Amino acid sequence: NAGVTQTPKFRILKIGQSMTLQCAQDMNHNYMYWYRQDPGMGLKLIYYSVGAGITDKGEVPNGYNVSRSTTEDFPLRLELAAPSQTSVYFCASRLTDSHEQYFGPGTRLTVT
Amino acid sequence: AQSVSQHNHHVILSEAASLELGCNYSYGGTVNLFWYVQYPGQHLQLLLKYFSGDPLVKGIKGFEAEFIKSKFSFNLRKPSVQWSDTAEYFCAVNGNTGGFKTIFGAGTRLFVKA
Repeated sequence: NAGVTQTPKFRILKIGQSMTLQCAQDMNHNYMYWYRQDPGMGLKLIYYSVGAGITDKGEVPNGYNVSRSTTEDFPLRLELAAPSQTSVYFCASRLTDSHEQYFGPGTRLTVT
Repeated sequence: AQSVSQHNHHVILSEAASLELGCNYSYGGTVNLFWYVQYPGQHLQLLLKYFSGDPLVKGIKGFEAEFIKSKFSFNLRKPSVQWSDTAEYFCAVNGNTGGFKTIFGAGTRLFVKA
């Protein structure tokens, strides 16, 4: 199993540009999550999904959108990039009956 | 409000020193508690977890944590650290009142001097 994969690893965006961060898992996990990690702030939940076709907002959803058309994929969309979205983004997944989350390697995004 | 507080943001220890990282949480109802570790250049991975039963839980690499319900704490310990323990450590909590969304602490960066 590849586990949780994320692409790209690094990206620099200009203000106002848009992009999609990709996340995929091959463990047949129902739950998937997007977090952002800022220095000294820990991980903040952006969006999560409990299964294909179902998504919900987390703690910091403004400026982001998600979709979950398949169990495997959970892309995160930034429509109008802002400097405040400079961060490291982690995708995670877990089985329904387990609370252990499996994390991807992260995407380091810089918006200038 | 649900929250997790980690007492130290940065800790520097020499090899063979003992480690204790503090974690307190504010969360109603039944809780599940976790410590995750992020080694340099790697992604987060689970170190140990507490769901129920014995409040002293043992994880990988000699780490352990004790759940003290009366103190809302879940401190991480290791009797003798190694240089390879240099990493960032995150305490986390979820539970039935929060829809099982996990709340993470701000993290503690541990540097172990060889």
